[in-house]
Amino acid sequence: TQLLEQSPQFLSIQEGENLTVYCNSSSVFSSLQWYRQEPGEGPVLLVTVVTGGEVKKLKRLTFQFGDARKDSSLHITAAQPGDTGLYLCAGDKGRKTSYDKVIFGPGTSLSVIP
Amino acid sequence: GAGVSQSPSNKVTEKGKDVELRCDPISGHTALYWYRQSLGQGLEFLIYFQGNSAPDKSGLPSDRFSAERTGGSVSTLTIQRTQQEDSAVYLCASSLALRSSYNSPLHFGNGTRLTVT
Repeated sequence: TQLLEQSPQFLSIQEGENLTVYCNSSSVFSSLQWYRQEPGEGPVLLVTVVTGGEVKKLKRLTFQFGDARKDSSLHITAAQPGDTGLYLCAGDKGRKTSYDKVIFGPGTSLSVIP
Repeated sequence: GAGVSQSPSNKVTEKGKDVELRCDPISGHTALYWYRQSLGQGLEFLIYFQGNSAPDKSGLPSDRFSAERTGGSVSTLTIQRTQQEDSAVYLCASSLALRSSYNSPLHFGNGTRLTVT
């Protein structure tokens, strides 16, 4: 059972275009994290969102956590070739007094064409 | 170095052989994870160590897979009687697991690419 779903699975766009990728679940998460992975390397954290409805911006990237803490989106403005990579969302369902493992979605593979 | 270190970076083995994959986490990180990633796919959770608690082994795909974490530091993932479907990149990650309202970020190694022929 895939607890975290991501869409689209693949995305190929021209440099300068905007895009949004989605991360959805039927479960409530205490936090969601977004990672980017480049070939031959491990994923690298981009952002963590914790509060329902939270919006965080990282330069041209905007992350939003759904009000019910079940979904999240990543919007990239004016995409550049350097944005190419696999974008992974990840979450845990732990509470303040307990730990829980972090699980990952299947990822969105983004290709930005110059 | 200061990051998560995995060895070997590449491993080619014959079907039926046993393999051991090693992970050196960042010093002081109490949480350690093993994930498996097939080509172009997401990360499949395998096992999770948190401090002195019993590990969460719920992601191990079969009893051919096992992992240990000695002294709360180095971890070894062992695959016995390897099969071709075990071919993948095995990623290790560690974190501080600060228990405020969310897990601290995971720091990943570059993985071990396992090929079973």
